[in-house]
Amino acid sequence: GENVEQHPSTLSVQEGDSAVIKCTYSDSASNYFPWYKQELGKGPQLIIDIRSNVGEKKDQRIAVTLNKTAKHFSLHITETQPEDSAVYFCAASKNNAGNMLTFGGGTRLMVKP
Amino acid sequence: DVKVTQSSRYLVKRTGEKVFLECVQDMDHENMFWYRQDPGLGLRLIYFSYDVKMKEKGDIPEGYSVSREKKERFSLILESASTNQTSMYLCASRFSGANVLTFGAGSRLTVL
Repeated sequence: GENVEQHPSTLSVQEGDSAVIKCTYSDSASNYFPWYKQELGKGPQLIIDIRSNVGEKKDQRIAVTLNKTAKHFSLHITETQPEDSAVYFCAASKNNAGNMLTFGGGTRLMVKP
Repeated sequence: DVKVTQSSRYLVKRTGEKVFLECVQDMDHENMFWYRQDPGLGLRLIYFSYDVKMKEKGDIPEGYSVSREKKERFSLILESASTNQTSMYLCASRFSGANVLTFGAGSRLTVL
């Protein structure tokens, strides 16, 4: 089955710096890659996703890149703010329906003011 | 605002007890899911349900069962709780034709 590895497990940055979280996946048939953000005491919430026919997607300060050949995708957060502090999960699935999402281990991002 | 509500935020149970975790969604979603969250392991799928009275095993179903008698409610059952089931449990739901999972806030279970 699919295996998704996520690095780093913890990341500490200064406010205003950029943060990058990387994920690799094992199944070349995977074609849908969402990112979820989990704030303290809350459930994960989708922040951005990308499909395999696209190499990059941006939404304000957040961007995701996908390298299908290398089977890795990354989340980039620019101009980090304290409210970006959370746990971030990447995931992968073989179909757009998301029924069989495989999640990475999570990254705890801490943005220091 | 759409919601997935998990009725118990914190539970403490004894080994061997039967545990019910309840989840209710108000979005008329067809699909519902139970995940387990452990540090470093991410979210692992226990069971999911496509529709009322339907269920499918996820990646780690051993020691768990589920019940979906009504569309809005999906229950996770631990028939005989064990200490290795101490974890955070997350319920989620989704329209069958959509990608986005909507999660509840989680139920933290401690088994002593």
